[in-house]
Amino acid sequence: QTVVTQEPSLTVSPGGTVTLTCASSTGAVTTGYYPNWFQQKPGQAPRALIYGTSNKHSWTPARFSGSVFGGKAALTLSGVQAEDEAVYYCLLYYGGTRVFGGGTNLTVL
Amino acid sequence: EVLLLESGGGLVQPGGSLRLSCAASGFSFSSFAMSWARQAPGKGLEWVSAISDSGDRTESAHSVRGRFIISRDNSQNIVFLQMNSLRVEDTAIYYCAKEGGSSTSGYYGVDVWGQGTTVTVSS
Repeated sequence: QTVVTQEPSLTVSPGGTVTLTCASSTGAVTTGYYPNWFQQKPGQAPRALIYGTSNKHSWTPARFSGSVFGGKAALTLSGVQAEDEAVYYCLLYYGGTRVFGGGTNLTVL
Repeated sequence: EVLLLESGGGLVQPGGSLRLSCAASGFSFSSFAMSWARQAPGKGLEWVSAISDSGDRTESAHSVRGRFIISRDNSQNIVFLQMNSLRVEDTAIYYCAKEGGSSTSGYYGVDVWGQGTTVTVSS
């Protein structure tokens, strides 16, 4: 059973920068896992932010960026705003199947 | 505007069946792969199943393989999730999602989500 691991929680100050990571139990994450990132606020459906490691959707704010480094997928938020407080999920593709990470609860404080 | 509207959720006894539907609009439905994911109460997201644009390729998570079947009707712009042999642990909000490309390979990721439909499995 493949497990995808994210930090359970992180705290960042308004205007600051924070990086969320996403690791795979199968080994190093590469661009071939096509990492996706999603944001979910309480009582809402998830919203897509990043696909294919670093590609943004038309609605993704510029302060969000995706990458792969150190064997993990990463989501970096620069110039964090209060509205960014949410749970963030990564999704990795393993051939046709895919696995979500457990989510990172981001607090802006 | 791309819209996905799930329906078919409800209360069902363990061992029972349910069929979820997701009606799509606002895009060329037959050109895109579609997925289902779920979220148990207070828990994280879990991917369930995906289907290619033509329906000739499907993928499912280990937890539902052999019990859940994904299908689509491109003439009606609807994707289905037939859920059989339901278990208490299948209780969740079920989300329909549009993929960014035609295949289930993931190259274009997932871009749009529906609002979900709630499935409760309980005696």
